[in-house]
Amino acid sequence: ETGVTQSPTHLIKTRGQQVTLRCSSQSGHNTVSWYQQALGQGPQFIFQYYREEENGRGNFPPRFSGLQFPNYSSELNVNALELDDSALYLCASSPGTKETQYFGPGTRLLVL
Amino acid sequence: GENVEQHPSTLSVQEGDSAVIKCTYSDSASNYFPWYKQELGKGPQLIIDIRSNVGEKKDQRIAVTLNKTAKHFSLHITETQPEDSAVYFCAASPLRAGNMLTFGGGTRLMVKP
Repeated sequence: ETGVTQSPTHLIKTRGQQVTLRCSSQSGHNTVSWYQQALGQGPQFIFQYYREEENGRGNFPPRFSGLQFPNYSSELNVNALELDDSALYLCASSPGTKETQYFGPGTRLLVL
Repeated sequence: GENVEQHPSTLSVQEGDSAVIKCTYSDSASNYFPWYKQELGKGPQLIIDIRSNVGEKKDQRIAVTLNKTAKHFSLHITETQPEDSAVYFCAASPLRAGNMLTFGGGTRLMVKP
C-alpha cells in the first residue's frame, strides 16, 4: 500500500504566474484535503474534496481552486501568484470525511 | 470558526524526561483532536488522536488528555529520546467540519542527549 505522494517537490514561480500542484491519495482513500503551511506556522486548511466534489473550503480567495479525479487524485491550482503564496503545500487523504488524515511530504512553492 | 492556541512554542528537555504540550480550542462543538509530528523537510505524521467521547488515550510513551469543560487538551511524552525532537502540532475540528482541521502554531521539541 503506497502512501500519499505529491509532485513536484519544489517549485519556483514569479508573481502573477499560475501553478498546478498534484496529489495522489493513499489507496482506498476517497477524500483529499489541501493545506498551506507558511514557514514557522501550522498548516491552514484550504479546501477538501470528497468523491470529486468540493466538500468544504477555508478562508482562501477564489484564485485557489482544486479538482479531484475519478481515481481520487487531486490538483490544487493557484492563479495570479503573490509573494505571500510562498509556502509548503500539503495534501492529506482519508477514507472518508470524518476519518484520520494522512499527509504527503508537501510541495514547497517559492514565489519571486 | 475554530481557533487553536498551542503552548509552548519551544520546549527543551533532557533525554529521559517527560514533555508536555498544551492546546486550547474555542469551538465547544469540536470533537476530534489529532496530534501530528513534523520532522524537517517532511509532511506531518499522525502520532495519536482522541475523540470527545473519551478523556484520555495512551499509546506506549505517548498520551493525550482532553478536558472538554475547559476546552483544552494536552500531549504527554514520557521517557523522551533524541528521535522525539521535531515540531509537534495539535489540531481540532467540530463534528460539522468532519476532518477539516484547524491547527495550532506548533511546538518545537528539542531532546538533549
